Amino acid sequence: GQQVMQIPQYQHVQEGEDFTTYCNSSTTLSNIQWYKQRPGGHPVFLIQLVKSGEVKKQKRLTFQFGEAKKNSSLHITATQTTDVGTYFCAGPRSGGSNYKLTFGKGTLLTVNP
Amino acid sequence: EAQVTQNPRYLITVTGKKLTVTCSQNMNHEYMSWYRQDPGLGLRQIYYSMNVEVTDKGDVPEGYKVSRKEKRNFPLILESPSPNQTSLYFCASSYRQGYNEQFFGPGTRLTVL
Repeated sequence: GQQVMQIPQYQHVQEGEDFTTYCNSSTTLSNIQWYKQRPGGHPVFLIQLVKSGEVKKQKRLTFQFGEAKKNSSLHITATQTTDVGTYFCAGPRSGGSNYKLTFGKGTLLTVNP
Repeated sequence: EAQVTQNPRYLITVTGKKLTVTCSQNMNHEYMSWYRQDPGLGLRQIYYSMNVEVTDKGDVPEGYKVSRKEKRNFPLILESPSPNQTSLYFCASSYRQGYNEQFFGPGTRLTVL
């Protein structure tokens, strides 16, 4: 079945350093979503990418969707302690309706002040 | 305030004692879904519903039931809970799945002894 792999599983950085998490799907995705979950909280939607090669920015966060629509990345410039949390990518199940979502296992980001 | 609510937030129960976790959204969303989150396994979809009276299995439906009699409510039923269902459960909703962000509830932490 379709798999969505995320790397790295964990990332610890010093405040001010950059951070990148990568998401790779075994199949082509019609779109990809990114979520952030703070410790003890619930996932919160960040963004959705739909077009091949799409790049979107939200302040210090840059999201990319690969040309083949099988991979995506989230890059945070100059991390802050408020960036701490787990970042998930999610894509609709291939070959059928978009109603089933497969989540990557997430990347846990910790930031040392 | 637009939100997804879940009850209870915390529950400790014993094996075999039927329980229901309620989920309600006030955004008139068509799509609702249940996930469980376990360490190292990320978010896995249990069941989802495209609209009233329309439900389907996700990746890990065994041991769970759902119903969607009203648009706003999507309860998760564990007829005979077992210890392997100890987990953190999230309900989510979106306007229509596939091209819309999901709004997650605060989560229900369930322990089955």
